[in-house]
Amino acid sequence: QKEVEQDPGPLSVPEGAIVSLNCTYSNSAFQYFMWYRQYSRKGPELLMYTYSSGNKEDGRFTAQVDKSSKYISLFIRDSQPSDSATYLCAMRKTSYDKVIFGPGTSLSVIP
Amino acid sequence: GAGVSQSPSNKVTEKGKDVELRCDPISGHTALYWYRQSLGQGLEFLIYFQGNSAPDKSGLPSDRFSAERTGGSVSTLTIQRTQQEDSAVYLCASSLDGGGAGDTQYFGPGTRLTVL
Repeated sequence: QKEVEQDPGPLSVPEGAIVSLNCTYSNSAFQYFMWYRQYSRKGPELLMYTYSSGNKEDGRFTAQVDKSSKYISLFIRDSQPSDSATYLCAMRKTSYDKVIFGPGTSLSVIP
Repeated sequence: GAGVSQSPSNKVTEKGKDVELRCDPISGHTALYWYRQSLGQGLEFLIYFQGNSAPDKSGLPSDRFSAERTGGSVSTLTIQRTQQEDSAVYLCASSLDGGGAGDTQYFGPGTRLTVL
């Protein structure tokens, strides 16, 4: 079993839809959780980060962490074609530990 | 300012040859990471340098892989006796101090390695 699991998709939604992206993990020691966005042939870029459980909102993006279920989510409201990319969850045990990435979910937002 | 740069952007080599991939991190960043991304796959952690500490090499897949970071800045990832399964995009990232909830990794564009 991989440490971090993520449905690879592809996920296709119409413009304006609410998108839900999810990851599960097996190691309860993870405390720092991140979401990265990666456009084709580019390096990933950080979208959101959260520490421990709870919600965090930034514009159209909301990150949720449920440590009791070992489950994290990223919600995108009013999705735009420019949101079409691969979304990778990532996590680390301590603030100086290596970062472990999920395999990524490919998202297409259709105009 | 300049972001993370990597060279070459593309590398085609023959099986059995050695290759060197270079990463220039953002100036002042003390942490540097190497990852490998195969087609349709997520990022596989390879190695992590943090300041003057011993690097975390736990992700290197075999002893054919090695990396060094000279002067706390530029890093080189070396793959000896390349195999076809080494074909992937090799990504480098740097961050300001490697820790903290908000410490952001900035990624380079990657080196696409193809082993024939």
